[in-house]
Amino acid sequence: GENVGLHLPTLSVQEGDNSIINCAYSNSASDYFIWYKQESGKGPQFIIDIRSNMDKRQGQRVTVLLNKTVKHLSLQIAATQPGDSAVYFCAETRANSGYALNFGKGTSLLVTP
Amino acid sequence: ETGVTQSPTHLIKTRGQQVTLRCSSQSGHNTVSWYQQALGQGPQFIFQYYREEENGRGNFPPRFSGLQFPNYSSELNVNALELDDSALYLCASSLEVGIETQYFGPGTRLLVL
Repeated sequence: GENVGLHLPTLSVQEGDNSIINCAYSNSASDYFIWYKQESGKGPQFIIDIRSNMDKRQGQRVTVLLNKTVKHLSLQIAATQPGDSAVYFCAETRANSGYALNFGKGTSLLVTP
Repeated sequence: ETGVTQSPTHLIKTRGQQVTLRCSSQSGHNTVSWYQQALGQGPQFIFQYYREEENGRGNFPPRFSGLQFPNYSSELNVNALELDDSALYLCASSLEVGIETQYFGPGTRLLVL
């Protein structure tokens, strides 16, 4: 999607370290943001979401931070494991797009032992 | 597993042919969206169906068409296939239209020769 971008195409981290994947968006009307994980040969898997009226949301080992001032979204993965290796996409959606998901190109996360 | 299924898993067609891809929504979900994912890219929104009516469309030509059935399963039809139509086709279902999590199926890999 032209309005959603990721800062780095690849990220390599050591097992046990924390990972941070960043995403920028350009449309201030975006209502809802979602992080998906996509493993090779599979469809995107929902990780965590956040609405535009929130700044932070936590899940199991994952945290999403939303900074509306600079239109920036990040996904933090604690104690990264080999099973976390995948491509991560951020997506945004808004009412005036019929809530169609607008994806960025993705960041490939590689977890090394 | 999301409960969203797609068939077939893989398909090879020649340029000019027509193809029909199928999607079965997660139980209780009345909204289905279709996305095209080219290799190395994020998914691109094709269209969405809500209660058997098209509810929104992305930047795809009319030769991409769809249907949603009373049981909320869905079809994506592509006529006059072009080489650039080679991609992973994903469907995603959600409980309702609007700000709702979209759960993806495993996709259909289409190769056009």
